[in-house]
Formats: sequence, structure tokens, C-alpha cells
Amino acid sequence: QSVLSQPPSVSGTPGQRVTISCSGGFSNIGSNAVHWYQQLPGMAPKLLIYSTSYRPSGVPDRISGSKSGTSASLAISGLQSEDEADYYCAAWDDSLKGHVVFGGGTKLTVL
Amino acid sequence: QVQVQESGPGVVKPSETLSLTCTVSGDSITNYYWSWIRQSPGKGLEWIGYMYHSGTTNYNPSLKSRVTMSIDTSKNQFSLRLSSVTAADTAVFYCATGSRQVDVFDIWGQGTTVSVSS
Repeated sequence: QSVLSQPPSVSGTPGQRVTISCSGGFSNIGSNAVHWYQQLPGMAPKLLIYSTSYRPSGVPDRISGSKSGTSASLAISGLQSEDEADYYCAAWDDSLKGHVVFGGGTKLTVL
Repeated sequence: QVQVQESGPGVVKPSETLSLTCTVSGDSITNYYWSWIRQSPGKGLEWIGYMYHSGTTNYNPSLKSRVTMSIDTSKNQFSLRLSSVTAADTAVFYCATGSRQVDVFDIWGQGTTVSVSS
């Protein structure tokens, strides 16, 4: 059972906007920044969003992140077939001397 | 640009100690905090812990009693030892780091698969 909760799956059609939620608590999302990773099949994860809403160089601006209270969201607009992947949220958790926690991951299917 | 490559035994027997190495190229290992992250088959990501070359470590509370990390600056290598392994430790193990903050990973190795089996 992951500390951060994500829906197991979401889906959308090309061109559509989808959001992936990530729910946590005061010690993690409520107090710290959220980061998002994309994992294509058979590949290592790739940083997609850091510090809740910042995109690393090379990540298109149709991908965005936000946070409210103890929940965060990743939004992908203009959905493309290459967006089909697993998405993970992560955050620092202040409990037990501090550690990194991940969400269980969300499989995005482009219909 | 820093690159990392994990290496390990592939198969470890139950109750034994798993040992993995992450070889860093393109930059000094002393410039980053280094983490190990694992992914069990069909499952999500689990952070194992991080280490800095100064000796500072921080381990996942759920694994702390079995984890030891070390850094060899002369070889630019980062290592993981996980003791008393069981089948539940079967996973792909990633070495990861980043230039922003200790919990942001924008540099990942390709991962090394470890199976715990007799």
C-alpha cells in the first residue's frame, strides 16, 4: 500500500485533456513539493514535473502540475498516443526523520 | 552530462545479502546525493534511501534495518547492500540522482534486475 494514492488507471482520446490525481497527507503533500514521473514500458522513469508545477527542459507545456492542500494533480492536454505510460507522483515525507514516498502509479491509456 | 549504470548479480539466494553497484560517469560523484529506488514486478516505485559522499545517509524506514549504502569516491561508485533478502525483494533496482534537490530524480540508470531465488 503506497503512502500517496493514485487511481490505477485513466484513459482519454487523442486531443483530449486528462488529469491524474495524487492524494496524500499533511506530512508529505501538505508540507512539501510534489514531483511527477513518466515511465514508458520497459524504461526507467523520467522526471516530468518537479516542485509541484515546474517542467524540466524538454517537457512540453501541455503537461502541467498543481497542488491544493494534501492533494496534487498532473494534467495532460492535447493527448497524444506517445503519452500512453505509467505516471507516478512523489514527495518528501517529514515523518520518521524524513523519507521519499511514491504513489502507486496510474496507467494512462490513449484510446 | 552525468550518466549512471547499475550492475549486480542477477540472482540472489533467500536469506543472503544483495549487493549492487552504480558507476557514475561524466561528473564527480561528490556533486550529488545518490538514491536507490526499486520496482517489484508489475508494481510501483519504492525509494530505498540516499547517500552523500560526506557519509550522510537516509534510509526508507521500512527497509532501514537491512540496508547499507556506501560511496567510493576513488572509483566514482555508489553501492547498495540489502541483507536477509526474500522473494519480496525481487525487483528492478535503479540508481538515481538529480541536480535540484535530494528528492527530485532527473538522472536514472537503466536499472538492474535482481531475482531472489534458490
